Amino acid sequence: DVVMTQSPLSLPVTLGQPASISCRSSQSLVYSDGNTYLNWFQQRPGQSPRRLIYKVSNRDSGVPDRFSGSGSGTDFTLKISRVEAEDVGVYYCMQGTHWPRATFGQGTKLEIK
Amino acid sequence: QVQLVQSGAEVKKPGASVKVSCKVSGYTLTELSMHWVRQAPGKGLEWMGGFDPEDGETIYAQKFQGRVTMTEDTSTDTAYMELSSLRSEDTAVYYCATMVMDYWGQGTLVTVSS
Repeated sequence: DVVMTQSPLSLPVTLGQPASISCRSSQSLVYSDGNTYLNWFQQRPGQSPRRLIYKVSNRDSGVPDRFSGSGSGTDFTLKISRVEAEDVGVYYCMQGTHWPRATFGQGTKLEIK
Repeated sequence: QVQLVQSGAEVKKPGASVKVSCKVSGYTLTELSMHWVRQAPGKGLEWMGGFDPEDGETIYAQKFQGRVTMTEDTSTDTAYMELSSLRSEDTAVYYCATMVMDYWGQGTLVTVSS
């Protein structure tokens, strides 16, 4: 199975400052159709996960533009340009390339300093 | 707009089975491919299995093979996940989600305790 490794696992950030989360996969996530099926999710305390980004860099509807995704192959990044209080939670990357067997990263807990 | 509404919390004894439901509205179940993800207390997300529309089969994570069964009732647009031979380590919130994970249910807490 594909292993997804996130870093850091804990991310204290000052309000208004940027944040960055790395996600690395044990195998290339480029699918035979040329797409890379790497998603990012946010899980606020007590809530269900919410997809923020799909196919590396596409924001879901309603996701603020301070969130951006980038990367290729096996190396991906989620960036928040200016952290707000509502961004507190756990962020997960997930690969959908080696489908239908999905794999999540361990999660990165973002907190406000 | 897709909505996924799951059944309520369950408490089960070790060795028992649990069946969690996920009612779809806004779309029909045949238009979606339902998957199931669980989250143990304080832990991360773990994919359990789901329907593969390319093969027309339900695929299970190896960890749950033989213990989990995922079914669908298209007449009521309801998906089900049944987990048997429960043990304390199965205590978790169980989520249904669409195949591309753009919609999730609210989660169902299953507690396994003697």
